[in-house]
Amino acid sequence: GESVGLHLPTLSVQEGDNSIINCAYSNSASDYFIWYKQESGKGPQFIIDIRSNMDKRQGQRVTVLLNKTVKHLSLQIAATQPGDSAVYFCAENPPRSGTSYGKLTFGQGTILTVHP
Amino acid sequence: GAVVSQHPSRVICKSGTSVKIECRSLDFQATTMFWYRQFPKKSLMLMATSNEGSKATYEQGVEKDKFLINHASLTLSTLTVTSAHPEDSSFYICSAYGTSGRARNEQFFGPGTRLTVL
Repeated sequence: GESVGLHLPTLSVQEGDNSIINCAYSNSASDYFIWYKQESGKGPQFIIDIRSNMDKRQGQRVTVLLNKTVKHLSLQIAATQPGDSAVYFCAENPPRSGTSYGKLTFGQGTILTVHP
Repeated sequence: GAVVSQHPSRVICKSGTSVKIECRSLDFQATTMFWYRQFPKKSLMLMATSNEGSKATYEQGVEKDKFLINHASLTLSTLTVTSAHPEDSSFYICSAYGTSGRARNEQFFGPGTRLTVL
């Protein structure tokens, strides 16, 4: 089944701390995963992605970990800054075929608040 | 590059009227565009997949006669909320899936349209 939108969990951190945001995905056949950042009143902004043949990928200040055994994704943000405050969503892409090509299912999201 | 725009960014309308929202890929072609709906403090819910030159594919529970989608060109998809009611008030977001150049096989999101139905 699809991930269902729920009231968003929150994470509060101090500036400079590392943040870890977790996500459980629903489809064990999904082969591509993306983390998005959404600021208030704006559309989602791509942060980092990972394919199912990997278990870790690093970007600038961000790392995504994938655990396919338990269908779990995490996003680690190093040295979190006030500008990182936003809602973070994971999204999964099922195997690309037919009308599901490019189709994403979003997780419930996490509100990250960074205190100066 | 790879910019997606939406118009209008905000719209307020009276109950019973219809509202059209445009989604444009500004610098790339997109045979597929997606429409999402997002309620406050909730996740994005996929409403429909819009394919250029063919009928849209709607997700379960989304009324196709209520949310009319037209994808007339490789850079434009429109969502029309017909006979809008207050419960249709939401944040509507589109995304475009690139099929060429630097945008190939990448999905880019628009900035969203805030619809308020009085």
